[in-house]
Amino acid sequence: QVQFVQSGAEVKKPGASVKVSCKASGYTLSSYAMHWVRQAPGQRLEWMGWINAGDGNTKYSQKFQGRVTITRDTSANTGYMELSSLRSEDTAVYYCARGGVTQAFDYWGQGTLVTVSS
Amino acid sequence: DIVMTQSPDSLAVSLGERATINCKSSQSVLYSSNNKNFLAWYQQKPGQPPKLLIYWASSRESGVPDRFSGSGSGTDFTLTISSLQAEDVAVYSCQQYYSAPVTFGQGTKLEI
Repeated sequence: QVQFVQSGAEVKKPGASVKVSCKASGYTLSSYAMHWVRQAPGQRLEWMGWINAGDGNTKYSQKFQGRVTITRDTSANTGYMELSSLRSEDTAVYYCARGGVTQAFDYWGQGTLVTVSS
Repeated sequence: DIVMTQSPDSLAVSLGERATINCKSSQSVLYSSNNKNFLAWYQQKPGQPPKLLIYWASSRESGVPDRFSGSGSGTDFTLTISSLQAEDVAVYSCQQYYSAPVTFGQGTKLEI
């Protein structure tokens, strides 16, 4: 069965960077898109960007352009999301999600809490 | 960006009764070449990731109970739970994946 395991919770200081990993099992990473979505406390889900895990092409939300980098390692069947220049407003749970054949997000990771605090 | 607006923000329904949640997009999410609406519904319980319920506005994801149904086209959509069960207490969000950036509604909290 398809499953994602994300890396553990992080606490970062303002201005630092964080890199979250998302290891896929039950399917070949390169066969589907991988999206990254975050959810700040009490806020709606917010899409950050996606990667075509086959060819590595990416597209980012304009809101995060220049601060976010999404990559993948097909040999490890793992995707990554790095967010730089962190500020307190980046405190959120970060999710990876698979873009299925219908393009809806059919499987999600368990989420990684990133806390930004001085 | 396409803005997704849900109504109501919260909803209390008795067990066994019908629950209806609405979602409106600021522009059409109907893709004319295949006549599909790029609109999905997700269920999210506390401490859990979202779970896909409905895609293409009205297609039920595998394993989702048939009491969940989606309808609508263009800019106006509805998620209906025909007979509310206790395990349906959650936040429900709509999502458009017609164009980047993908956007979500603010969520509707469903309670008993």
